[in-house]
Amino acid sequence: TQLLEQSPQFLSIQEGENLTVYCNSSSVFSSLQWYRQEPGEGPVLLVTVVTGGEVKKLKRLTFQFGDARKDSSLHITAAQPGDTGLYLCAGSPPGTASKLTFGTGTRLQVTL
Amino acid sequence: EAEVAQSPRYKITEKSQAVAFWCDPISGHATLYWYRQILGQGPELLVQFQDESVVDDSQLPKDRFSAERLKGVDSTLKIQPAELGDSAMYLCASSEGLAGGNTDTQYFGPGTRLTVL
Repeated sequence: TQLLEQSPQFLSIQEGENLTVYCNSSSVFSSLQWYRQEPGEGPVLLVTVVTGGEVKKLKRLTFQFGDARKDSSLHITAAQPGDTGLYLCAGSPPGTASKLTFGTGTRLQVTL
Repeated sequence: EAEVAQSPRYKITEKSQAVAFWCDPISGHATLYWYRQILGQGPELLVQFQDESVVDDSQLPKDRFSAERLKGVDSTLKIQPAELGDSAMYLCASSEGLAGGNTDTQYFGPGTRLTVL
């Protein structure tokens, strides 16, 4: 079983601060996805990274896939209350494009 | 914009009762997934369908859980009898069912929150 560990588990910050969430595994993934989930809703896809070392930006969010495709990070610049939610990374093992292994999740709260 | 539909959104039941959840995937999506998510954790796959066939149900507790997708479109997940430990969010997702090395993006429904008393 391929495990994805996320850190930190919980993060409470004030509006305007920067933060980084980490997603680590001992296994290689062919691609890695980041989702955000709000209470009572399903996860919503933010980004997919497929190439080792790849960096993608989505407004104030920057995603990076590790060179060895075993880890990833999500950096948020100038966090806003609307960023509050559960952030989940999910990896596809090599050769299984349709299967996802989800990380343990990082719950972010941004206050005014 | 096409979405995955699920019903009911919330379900409260007593232990030993039967419950059923329904999912309607995005039109044209061949692959359908059922996940269980315990509060604050990541989703765990219960069963995966390709059209009407089950391709992975290794994590489905088959003594009490069943799932079907008879016409390869919508799907039903059933629990009988429900136990206290089944309280969780049940998520349905669908994807196009891409083959080869392409990433097959999964789109999630809003989920059904089950509470077993």
